[in-house]
Order: sequence, then structure tokens, then C-alpha cells
Amino acid sequence: LAKTTQPISMDSYEGQEVNITCSHNNIATNDYITWYQQFPSQGPRFIIQGYKTKVTNEVASLFIPADRKSSTLSLPRVSLSDTAVYYCLVGVYYGDGNKLVFGAGTILRVKS
Amino acid sequence: NAGVTQTPKFQVLKTGQSMTLQCAQDMNHEYMSWYRQDPGMGLRLIHYSVGAGITDQGEVPNGYNVSRSTTEDFPLRLLLAAPSQTSVYFCASSYRGNSPLHFGNGTRLTVT
Repeated sequence: LAKTTQPISMDSYEGQEVNITCSHNNIATNDYITWYQQFPSQGPRFIIQGYKTKVTNEVASLFIPADRKSSTLSLPRVSLSDTAVYYCLVGVYYGDGNKLVFGAGTILRVKS
Repeated sequence: NAGVTQTPKFQVLKTGQSMTLQCAQDMNHEYMSWYRQDPGMGLRLIHYSVGAGITDQGEVPNGYNVSRSTTEDFPLRLLLAAPSQTSVYFCASSYRGNSPLHFGNGTRLTVT
């Protein structure tokens, strides 16, 4: 069961790039790394997923080093609306002893 | 395409009462799960299902029952509500094991 560790909170200013790192030292060979964003009173929302190296989509990039023991979510040019809790999730699927378990998340506060 | 729908949005129960939290998805996802989220904490897995007729326990299953008679529905039952079950409950679904989770908007439950 891969456990994740993230910073509790981070502060940034509008227009800056924000990098949030997640440690997952006991990641298994088949595990994917997925990041979610959660606003108050809403369910988490998928941001990006990767297995190794770098993945980029229209909202974020995900950097995964060769040993896969950590990953970094990069948010380019954040705005006030990016203020949210960000969760790193490591796992494959439910069943056969696998259970997708969330960490405590990182509270990102973007200031003007 | 409504995604994941949870009902009710809010519920107040007295200790010892029972109720069922409903969750339905219209994406033909095989995997469904229930999480609870308490203030300052991440999401904790209660129960999950990898297909109709198949369920299993997560991290915090005590006090909750589930069943999965159809692909679309995954209700969560509280048989004897306790104040410790005051929380926000989220239902999630995914297409397959390593696919991103799709969350509902939650049910806020208060047990007095």
C-alpha cells in the first residue's frame, strides 16, 4: 500500500509557477501517480496522471524521476481560482489487496 | 451525461437511526467506491466495488454496509448511526483500475 507525503500547505502569488512535490517511497511497479484538485464543498477533480518521466496537459505538468519515489505537480502561472487542496494518489486499482488511499493533501493559497 | 450523482446533499440523523446514501453513475464504470472526509483530513476509503456483485472493505468499513446489484448504483448504508459518523461522504467511480476517479459532490451527514 503506497503511502504518500505532501507539504501541508503552500502560498503563492498570481502569475507564479507552483510546484507541489509528493513522496511515495514504496511505490509499486504497476502503480500510477494521479493528482486531484478539490474546492470547498465539492468532490475532488482529476488533474493529471502519469507513470514515468513527464506528462503535460492543458492545465498542469507532472514530473516523475526515474526511481519514481516522488513526483512533482507543476501549475504554470497560477490564478486566485487555483486556491484549493491538491491530492497526490498512488495506486493501481481496487481488488487483489490494492486500495487507493489518499494522503492529507496540500492546501495551496494563491494571493493577489 | 450526469457523471456521478449523490443524494441527498445534506442529512441530519439522530443516534441509532439508519439511512442509505445513494450513488449512481451513468458512465458504465466498473469500479466504484465510497470515501469519507473529516475536517483537516484527507479522504478515507470506506468500501469499494470492482463490479456488480463484488464489494470489499476499505480503511474504515465499520458501521457501514454496501451492495452492488447493478453497474450503475452503489448505495452506502448506515445501520445504527453514531456521532462519529458525522462527515462528508463522497462516492467515486472509474472506468478501470488505473483510470482517474470521478467524484460526486458529496453528502454532508450530521449525526446528533
